[in-house]
Amino acid sequence: KAGVTQTPRYLIKTRGQQVTLSCSPISGHRSVSWYQQTPGQGLQFLFEYFSETQRNKGNFPGRFSGRQFSNSRSEMNVSTLELGDSALYLCASSLYEGEGNIQYFGAGTRLSVL
Amino acid sequence: QKEVEQNSGPLSVPEGAIASLNCTYSDRVSQSFFWYRQYSGKSPELIMSIYSNGDKEDGRFTAQLNKASQYVSLLIRDSQPSDSATYLCAVPNYGGATNKLIFGTGTLLAVQP
Repeated sequence: KAGVTQTPRYLIKTRGQQVTLSCSPISGHRSVSWYQQTPGQGLQFLFEYFSETQRNKGNFPGRFSGRQFSNSRSEMNVSTLELGDSALYLCASSLYEGEGNIQYFGAGTRLSVL
Repeated sequence: QKEVEQNSGPLSVPEGAIASLNCTYSDRVSQSFFWYRQYSGKSPELIMSIYSNGDKEDGRFTAQLNKASQYVSLLIRDSQPSDSATYLCAVPNYGGATNKLIFGTGTLLAVQP
């Protein structure tokens, strides 16, 4: 069974640009969560989608947005990039919604903002 | 603000020794706990989950949970250099009916050959 697939693996952008990251969950998984990982802040929750609906959102500015498609694939978008957005963006999928479900992470997209 | 705390380390142990990693959490209603391992430059990989008080063993790994003390630990027996990684403790954000995980900052483990 294929794992969580994130594309692209690496991105280099400049300040002010926007970026879209993609995540394909494990087959059959309907919940997709996004996290940002930086050396200073660690792993921080961005948002979660289940059945094309956003279930929860972390404390990030409105420049960060996401969506989920009917096939459970998810995208996140960051507009007007800032230097501080440089991070590893991780997608995790889970079979069910609700607390306590095991989440499996993709390899991540490493974004560098110059 | 719900919190998960870990000693950032580095925790250095000789090969073959037992490595003990600790985690405390603030939310008393937490029911499940996860340990992820993250190698440098890689993504987190689940190594243990634990839901009940007591010990849970899986190979060289043992997770220990004490809900009264709000404390969960991970023991790695017969530590190998390949165990050198950052170990992340994660707790679900209960009350929100979501899969959101709250992560500790991680403990860097270095196993010396």
